Amino acid sequence: NAGVMQNPRHLVRRRGQEARLRCSPMKGHSHVYWYRQLPEEGLKFMVYLQKENIIDESGMPKERFSAEFPKEGPSILRIQQVVRGDSAAYFCASSPRPSGGANTGELFFGEGSRLTVL
Amino acid sequence: KNEVEQSPQNLTAQEGEFITINCSYSVGISALHWLQQHPGGGIVSLFMLSSGKKKHGRLIATINIQEKHSSLHITASHPRDSAVYICAVSLYFGTGTSLTVIP
Repeated sequence: NAGVMQNPRHLVRRRGQEARLRCSPMKGHSHVYWYRQLPEEGLKFMVYLQKENIIDESGMPKERFSAEFPKEGPSILRIQQVVRGDSAAYFCASSPRPSGGANTGELFFGEGSRLTVL
Repeated sequence: KNEVEQSPQNLTAQEGEFITINCSYSVGISALHWLQQHPGGGIVSLFMLSSGKKKHGRLIATINIQEKHSSLHITASHPRDSAVYICAVSLYFGTGTSLTVIP
């Protein structure tokens, strides 16, 4: 039973390019969370998705960032026109149930995708 | 004020010492997570708890819902315990406690 798979593990982009980060949740998990960890800072929630729906995107920057979790395939975090400040580790976690509400589900984390913007 | 506060921020201990990391939160919760992040960056979920106490090996986590406080204890600490320990409540994370255990 594979864990949460993220790819790429490392991504280098030049300013203005697009970055696409993928997250395949654990089998049977339909709840996906994306977090960002800036250098020397703690984890920050970005977005919570359940299959085909964005449930909470309160932590997502209003511009350039988008996320999706299609019916088939991995969840994608997309960053358009990247800037140096986007350089960070982006972590994905999945859960069999919503994490944070009633009957909360345990979170399982991926290894992270490290984005470097030159 | 952050929704989740951890203390201490940094902790250095001698091998074998008993370690306590504290977490206080201000948001309503149904469960609290303790996470471990190693220098390589990967994150592992250590505990998810909503009441009382859980134990796994040398690790013990407790939570007091009324006081909105949780503690993570490590007994007989070992250099391989050196990592950042993060408390997470709902969608909020503490800034982490960086633990270094010296042989």
